[in-house]
Amino acid sequence: EAGVAQSPRYKIIEKRQSVAFWCNPISGHATLYWYQQILGQGPKLLIQFQNNGVVDDSQLPKDRFSAERLKGVDSTLKIQPAKLEDSAVYLCASSTIRGRTYEQYFGPGTRLTVT
Amino acid sequence: KQEVTQIPAALSVPEGENLVLNCSFTDSAIYNLQWFRQDPGKGLTSLLLIQSSQREQTSGRLNASLDKSSGRSTLYIAASQPGDSATYLCAVNSGNTGKLIFGQGTTLQVKP
Repeated sequence: EAGVAQSPRYKIIEKRQSVAFWCNPISGHATLYWYQQILGQGPKLLIQFQNNGVVDDSQLPKDRFSAERLKGVDSTLKIQPAKLEDSAVYLCASSTIRGRTYEQYFGPGTRLTVT
Repeated sequence: KQEVTQIPAALSVPEGENLVLNCSFTDSAIYNLQWFRQDPGKGLTSLLLIQSSQREQTSGRLNASLDKSSGRSTLYIAASQPGDSATYLCAVNSGNTGKLIFGQGTTLQVKP
């Protein structure tokens, strides 16, 4: 079974530029998550999709971050304009549901550096 | 608001030693708790998932315990090896949407 795919793996941009990340979840997984992991910290959930719909985006900085999940499969996360504090690893995860359990599988992440 | 804390932040041990990583959480109303491993530059790999009704889970040399009432979990690693060197993250699912709240991680170094 193929895992969660993410691209690009690394990105360096200047502040005020825009950037987009792509995620392809495990086939058949209805739930998709984007996390932000700042160096030395644990991942923080930015947004969660269930199929096409948004379940939780309470910690997404909506003035600069946006995300979409087309046809309930692939997802993109965009930052516009980027700030220095956006430097982090952006992790995508997907899960299926067994009973009340969501067991999440993570992609390799995209490391963003904003200069 | 659920908060997850991991102690220590870093740990260095000689090969072969048994060790314990600690995780505490503030709200005991959880669905489950997961332990993950993260290698440098890589994503997260799930090690063990403990349901709220369970007390422990074992996989090979790893054993995770859960004490919901005290808000604590431990990850026990037996006979540590240099290949165990990584960051270990604890995460709690306390909602019905699968949202995970992570601790800041413990970075383990096992010296040959």
